[in-house]
Amino acid sequence: DAKTTQPPSMDCAEGRAANLPCNHSTISGNEYVYWYRQIHSQGPQYIIHGLKNNETNEMASLIITEDRKSSTLILPHATLRDTAVYYCIVRVPTGANSKLTFGKGITLSVRP
Amino acid sequence: DSGVTQTPKHLITATGQRVTLRCSPRSGDLSVYWYQQSLDQGLQFLIQYYNGEERAKGNILERFSAQQFPDLHSELNLSSLELGDSALYFCASSPGVLGANVLTFGAGSRLTVL
Repeated sequence: DAKTTQPPSMDCAEGRAANLPCNHSTISGNEYVYWYRQIHSQGPQYIIHGLKNNETNEMASLIITEDRKSSTLILPHATLRDTAVYYCIVRVPTGANSKLTFGKGITLSVRP
Repeated sequence: DSGVTQTPKHLITATGQRVTLRCSPRSGDLSVYWYQQSLDQGLQFLIQYYNGEERAKGNILERFSAQQFPDLHSELNLSSLELGDSALYFCASSPGVLGANVLTFGAGSRLTVL
């Protein structure tokens, strides 16, 4: 799996957009970008994933650069409940061997 | 509720003892994964099963073992427990077939070894 680099922490104001960056310069052509988050001591929660097109769901948007070497997770209107550690993971999704390798992630603090 | 059920939620035991953690995957998921999260460590992958067969192994200690049963539930057995085994243990499941193979995690089992 390709390695990812995330800043250790960031904060944003409640109600504003939170833009979480991730670098994955060694990503290969068949690897997807996944985002998960972990709210304190809870089980990690899937947010979104994508290959090369931008993706949006009810939780967030994922913007992947054209060269696929970096991506940004956007939480459009952050709330206090979005305070969590966010993990950017790159992996090939198919097949029976699909474990996730978690790095340190980025701690997002949403302030009132 | 993620659909992945882990029991027990909390467990306190003594050094040298043995415990079993149980995981019921989401309906229809064939793969089960076990992760350990200690206070000073991130989420560490332990082991994965797919439809009853071991498929991948991570940094799992020899004192730990796991299996997946015909009904697809899984158990993680931890023996000769040490203080350092105190951690959150998460189970996750995924469809395990072609596709995005999104992992869905349970709420975890918190193990405290005294």
